[in-house]
Amino acid sequence: EVQLVESGGGLVKPGGSLRLSCAASGFTFSIYNMNWVRQAPGKGLEWVSSISSSSSYIYYADSMKGRFTISRDNAKNSLYLQMNSLRAEDTAVYYCAGGRGYSYGLDSWGRGTLVIVSS
Amino acid sequence: QSVLTQPPSVSGAPGQRVTISCTGNSSNIGTGYDVHWYQHLPGTAPKLLIYGDTNRPSGVPDRFSGSKSGTSASLAITGLQPEDEADYYCQSYDSSLSGYWVFGGGTKLTVL
Repeated sequence: EVQLVESGGGLVKPGGSLRLSCAASGFTFSIYNMNWVRQAPGKGLEWVSSISSSSSYIYYADSMKGRFTISRDNAKNSLYLQMNSLRAEDTAVYYCAGGRGYSYGLDSWGRGTLVIVSS
Repeated sequence: QSVLTQPPSVSGAPGQRVTISCTGNSSNIGTGYDVHWYQHLPGTAPKLLIYGDTNRPSGVPDRFSGSKSGTSASLAITGLQPEDEADYYCQSYDSSLSGYWVFGGGTKLTVL
């Protein structure tokens, strides 16, 4: 069974940092492109960042560039998101999602971890 | 403001057919990039419904279908069932300077 389990969310003050993790199982993690997608309260899904299977290609949404860093460890079947300089508008449920490429969409998703940025 | 535009809400009675539109532009859907659709129930993991414009992953009922023309795509749901009540999102690739994956704003489907 395909499983993605996010962890690391919580309450953090504005300007603070948080590191999210995503543990994958049930599929060949090392061949999947991985992504972080978030959903702010009452809002829709928003793509955050993507990393290719071998970490050769990394992309960020404009509002996350310079603040967030995506990484992965294929030996540990894990995906990470280091979030720095957090703002109130970063408050959201963060989902880990994987896909085989542009034409195949994101076929594996976790249930998300909640990040709250508040003083 | 999402790059891909969806109606905020649609509704239909059980057994009816509904469609959800997704309108983009020349830097995403209009270039021919694939459109994907997701179903999302609050508190759960989003689920891929349609990939590559028209393809259903295994396990997705054939009541769900996708189409694309020009700068727009559509998701059709026939034989509406109460369990179809959820949020639906389209997604595509965007080739603009600030783009990559882009999602539509989402559409809330209410089964009356």
